[in-house]
Amino acid sequence: DAKTTQPPSMDCAEGRAANLPCNHSTISGNEYVYWYRQIHSQGPQYIIHGLKNNETNEMASLIITEDRKSSTLILPHATLRDTAVYYCIVRVTGGGNKLTFGTGTQLKVEL
Amino acid sequence: GAGVSQSPRYKVTKRGQDVALRCDPISGHVSLYWYRQALGQGPEFLTYFNYEAQQDKSGLPNDRFSAERPEGSISTLTIQRTEQRDSAMYRCASSLDPTGVPSSGNTIYFGEGSWLTVV
Repeated sequence: DAKTTQPPSMDCAEGRAANLPCNHSTISGNEYVYWYRQIHSQGPQYIIHGLKNNETNEMASLIITEDRKSSTLILPHATLRDTAVYYCIVRVTGGGNKLTFGTGTQLKVEL
Repeated sequence: GAGVSQSPRYKVTKRGQDVALRCDPISGHVSLYWYRQALGQGPEFLTYFNYEAQQDKSGLPNDRFSAERPEGSISTLTIQRTEQRDSAMYRCASSLDPTGVPSSGNTIYFGEGSWLTVV
């Protein structure tokens, strides 16, 4: 699976949009981009995934560049409860759901 | 069950002892995964099963680590002759579909984990 690069930490004011970047310059055509988050010591939680089109669900939006070498997870109105470590993962489809986590981005949402 | 259940939640053991960690996946989930997570690090893949068959054990650190899922449901991760470096959070996860084809119904759900401390 392709390697991802994320900033180690980011701050965001409550109510503002949180934009979390991820570089995956070695991504191949059959690899999807996944985002998970981990709040404190809880288990990782699925947020969203995409292949090449932008995606949106009730939690977040995922913007993937046209060349697919990078993506941005957008939390449109961050709250204190969004404080967590956010992991960007790229994975081939098929062959099971094995995920390779990096060190992620620690997002801190403040008043 | 409603979620992935793991036991024990906390285990303190003496170096050299064997430990067994149990995972009860979400009912009906075909795939089951074991991860290990050290403080400040992301989860590290250990092994996974589809039904009772172990599909990939490439992440198991050495032959002291083993896992089984004999009836395709509950799984046990066993660590023999524990060492202090084995201290970590051990997380189990499950997913419905074994193919790994991305879909909103094929999300991986993680349990709360088992904290292992080897003293």
